[in-house]
Amino acid sequence: GAVVSQHPSRVICKSGTSVKIECRSLDFQATTMFWYRQFPKQSLMLMATSNEGSKATYEQGVEKDKFLINHASLTLSTLTVTSAHPEDSSFYICSAREGTGQYNEQFFGPGTRLTVL
Amino acid sequence: AQTVTQSQPEMSVQEAETVTLSCTYDTSESDYYLFWYKQPPSRQMILVIRQEAYKQQNATENRFSVNFQKAAKSFSLKISDSQLGDAAMYFCAYRGYGQNFVFGPGTRLSVLP
Repeated sequence: GAVVSQHPSRVICKSGTSVKIECRSLDFQATTMFWYRQFPKQSLMLMATSNEGSKATYEQGVEKDKFLINHASLTLSTLTVTSAHPEDSSFYICSAREGTGQYNEQFFGPGTRLTVL
Repeated sequence: AQTVTQSQPEMSVQEAETVTLSCTYDTSESDYYLFWYKQPPSRQMILVIRQEAYKQQNATENRFSVNFQKAAKSFSLKISDSQLGDAAMYFCAYRGYGQNFVFGPGTRLSVLP
């Protein structure tokens, strides 16, 4: 299947700093990219959906000013956690989908573990 | 809104034996897709099997098969000849046409040697 990469895989930062996570589709053009958050022993929760060149659509309860998403190209989306706090510590997973048809396969990245001290 | 329920937070199976993981969902749509994803300790989400709701035949992928009961809105996963590498979190997921995934809470599967 297609490959989605994330960078970095792990990041530790101090409270109040900003962290950027990159998500790339390596062998296909991702019309839509998704960002999920997963707390320990819990399921994946969708944070936002982004289409290339458009503003991201955030799920209810997700602060758009805190979690900045940029989908500048068909192969790259970034999630920036601004002014990070310890409660933002979590596992962040991106996912990418090619095309906008009735059904398009969606591929998941390996995730990024964020720890805010 | 669609919901996905996995009533077994944890399951265990003896190596080489068979185990069935349960999943139920709620939707008012008639056409949709159902999935089982595996998340091993590496946390990488791995697609195990996919079922299109309009297909009556149950999907199979080697040792993995599903029992899809559309009227009952049930979608269980059977793992045959369990292997140590099958130990992971398993998530059942629903996806409507052109819609986003709805994931269940997950079932942690342990495989005993």
